[in-house]
Amino acid sequence: AQSVAQPEDQVNVAEGNPLTVKCTYSVSGNPYLFWYVQYPNRGLQFLLKYITGDNLVKGSYGFEAEFNKSQTSFHLKKPSALVSDSALYFCAVRPLLIKAAGNKLTFGGGTRVLVKP
Amino acid sequence: EAGVTQFPSHSVIEKGQTVTLRCDPISGHDNLYWYRRVMGKEIKFLLHFVKESKQDESGMPNNRFLAERTGGTYSTLKVQPAELEDSGVYFCASSQVRDRPTAFFGQGTRLTVV
Repeated sequence: AQSVAQPEDQVNVAEGNPLTVKCTYSVSGNPYLFWYVQYPNRGLQFLLKYITGDNLVKGSYGFEAEFNKSQTSFHLKKPSALVSDSALYFCAVRPLLIKAAGNKLTFGGGTRVLVKP
Repeated sequence: EAGVTQFPSHSVIEKGQTVTLRCDPISGHDNLYWYRRVMGKEIKFLLHFVKESKQDESGMPNNRFLAERTGGTYSTLKVQPAELEDSGVYFCASSQVRDRPTAFFGQGTRLTVV
């Protein structure tokens, strides 16, 4: 069975400082990995994904994430956080091979990010 | 291009009543998914349509939940009768063919059963 862990319920960071949101996963075989963000009163918005290739992937709004196979991690990062980055962030995984567990995504519990001015 | 849209955005119903949620996927997306987030916990998979066929309904909690996707376009998720534990946010997502795995989500329907 696949699973995702986001160990921090909340991350507080000062505006301008680096932001990291942690994610570790467990899946059979190679993974597809995703980050989604939910701004207040909005739906889930796709940020970025890892499929294959370069371990560092870049996404929307200056976010990036690094895939680390040995540590089974996919931490989300932003070099300089903005107050507008305050939101709920979800990490999700799906196996590369659809037959393993279908097309469905398995999500972490979410991490609330609060960026203070 | 319009994104995934869901109706209603909020619904408050009494225990025992029936509620129907609707999802309109992105045009041309054959894959349609339903997920829900209950009590601030993780988002959990409910089911997956490919066009009008149910590909995977392993996440449906019980037979009070019925999902349909007639004609392979929009989908409905009916809860009948609703129970208190059904309260949460119900998300719909759609994606293209299997080699394009990114699912795009709607804004969700917040269901409150009182």
